[in-house]
Amino acid sequence: AQKVTQAQTEISVVEKEDVTLDCVYETRDTTYYLFWYKQPPSGELVFLIRRNSFDEQNEISGRYSWNFQKSTSSFNFTITASQVVDSAVYFCALESTFGDGTTLTVKP
Amino acid sequence: DGGITQSPKYLFRKEGQNVTLSCEQNLNHDAMYWYRQDPGQGLRLIYYSQIVNDFQKGDIAEGYSVSREKKESFPLTVTSAQKNPTAFYLCASSNAIGQGINQPQHFGDGTRLSIL
Repeated sequence: AQKVTQAQTEISVVEKEDVTLDCVYETRDTTYYLFWYKQPPSGELVFLIRRNSFDEQNEISGRYSWNFQKSTSSFNFTITASQVVDSAVYFCALESTFGDGTTLTVKP
Repeated sequence: DGGITQSPKYLFRKEGQNVTLSCEQNLNHDAMYWYRQDPGQGLRLIYYSQIVNDFQKGDIAEGYSVSREKKESFPLTVTSAQKNPTAFYLCASSNAIGQGINQPQHFGDGTRLSIL
């Protein structure tokens, strides 16, 4: 069975701080895909990134970066210089298995 | 603009009643999905469909039914057998998938279902 754990239920930071959202997963598959989604208050999930199990390169997109470490089954997400608009619930997913989400609040 | 339209936004169900949630997409995606989200929790997969006239059960299919008669449409019926239907329901679509759900999903705005 697959499982995704996002241990941080809620995180609160002040604008311009860096913040890392943790994601740990469990699977017996050798080939799998990991995702991060953002859910703003409107409710619609927005896709952020996909990573397959054979690609352990870290990725940076603007203020967002992702660190995939297969050895520790982790796929962490860092927001650099956070902004108020980053406030949302962030979900890590292992294909169709979602974590419970981390609610990020960025205060001005 | 391309996207996914879910309707209605809010829905109320009486005891013993079946209700149907609508999901339409104009992204020309092959695969479509239904998820349930409860407060403070992640999404759980109810059903998904890879092609027209075919669909598979997800993790929590009991008490739900779906159909996929057209590529653009994937309605979800919450039957009276679903004893705890109050939740936020999200529909999604993606490009064709293989063995696993390996494509990014595009989501609708959701339908919030409550029991009267």
